Amino acid sequence: ETGVTQTPRHLVMGMTNKKSLKCEQHLGHNAMYWYKQSAKKPLELMFVYSLEERVENNSVPSRFSPECPNSSHLFLHLHTLQPEDSALYLCASSQTLGLAGRDTQYFGPGTRLTVL
Amino acid sequence: DAKTTQPNSMESNEEEPVHLPCNHSTISGTDYIHWYRQLPSQGPEYVIHGLTSNVNNRMASLAIAEDRKSSTLILHRATLRDAAVYYCILRDSINMRFGAGTRLTVKP
Repeated sequence: ETGVTQTPRHLVMGMTNKKSLKCEQHLGHNAMYWYKQSAKKPLELMFVYSLEERVENNSVPSRFSPECPNSSHLFLHLHTLQPEDSALYLCASSQTLGLAGRDTQYFGPGTRLTVL
Repeated sequence: DAKTTQPNSMESNEEEPVHLPCNHSTISGTDYIHWYRQLPSQGPEYVIHGLTSNVNNRMASLAIAEDRKSSTLILHRATLRDAAVYYCILRDSINMRFGAGTRLTVKP
């Protein structure tokens, strides 16, 4: 496996379900990100982790709970979601946050989430 | 955060050059100019970035105006696989704020 992988690729869940999205990067990077891409809206940054520590949380509702157990893995735990949370959830990684604006991000293919 | 302005859509013919413009009149001295593209049903893909000087890589060229208030992504020979949404982004920190981008259509 190379690059950034995400599982599952598609997920349908009810509003009362609990599910988790998984992201794994095989690039040796130290920073990982969760983004949300809703239909006809720009990508929105949700969470940023650097060396397993959360450094950014862009006013995301508590029904989204991230977890970064090590620098290669990132999870997004979902519970009691709303239909408007249906979107493409993208994971990305970059070498380090210390490069300010110079680092590049590598994205996974995303998980297409549908909340019924 | 400094904003970028891009045309909503552009068309190109296959094997012709494509110039994708981006205006960023409020750019600060520490902002890097990044370009990403998103092919259908995929996550965004890094294309190129620069600070002040023009940049070339295997995918594209980036031409940056002398005052840095605008830039142009150049695809030297468009192929059908270049059909995507192209995002111009300014970065000086953690945040990478995507706009609506330019949807490029490549006609055979």
